[in-house]
Amino acid sequence: QAQLVQSGAEVKRPGASVKVSCKASGYILTSYFIHWVRQAPGQGLEWMGIINPDGGSTNYAQKLQGRLTMTRDTSTSTVYMELSRLRSEDTAVYYCTRDSGSGRSRFDPWGQGTLVTVSS
Amino acid sequence: QSAPTQPASVSGSPGQSITISCTGTSSDVGNYNLVSWYQQHPGKAPKLMIHEDTKRPSGVSNRFSGSKSGNTASLTISGLQAEDEADYYCCSFAGSSTWVFGGGTKVTVL
Repeated sequence: QAQLVQSGAEVKRPGASVKVSCKASGYILTSYFIHWVRQAPGQGLEWMGIINPDGGSTNYAQKLQGRLTMTRDTSTSTVYMELSRLRSEDTAVYYCTRDSGSGRSRFDPWGQGTLVTVSS
Repeated sequence: QSAPTQPASVSGSPGQSITISCTGTSSDVGNYNLVSWYQQHPGKAPKLMIHEDTKRPSGVSNRFSGSKSGNTASLTISGLQAEDEADYYCCSFAGSSTWVFGGGTKVTVL
């Protein structure tokens, strides 16, 4: 059974960076793309970007380019999402999810979510 | 790139059918057979309900069905049950390795 387990909640100051991990189990990490999606409090889902764990290529939502970096460590089956120059609007629950359709918009399973709070 | 439009809320009585629309553009919803739908209960991660416009994953109730016409995709829930009360989001491939979520719809079972 494929599963994604994320790192714990974070509290950061404005201007700082945060790095969230997403550890895959039950399948071979390099077989499927991983997306990151965030959800601000009381708001909808926002697609952030995609990483191909097989090779590490990435693509990010235009509004986050320059601040967002996705990486992977195949030796530990872990994908990372790092967001820099944090501002209050980045306060959200961050999810990783596997594209089980190999780019065909089949996001399953999802991680449990990581709350990132940006506050001074 | 703007989010596909979903109604903010839809409601129905137990046993009824409801339909949630997701209106995008010819650059996303209307250009690819790659719309998926997600159910999200409060405090929980989203759950895949429909993918590739109309395909239902194993384990998802056959009360859920997807369709599409032009730039508008739809999710229909038949035989509405109390457990269906949740937020629902559409998601579409938008080209150039980007995806876009709809604004979300809150479903209330009366």
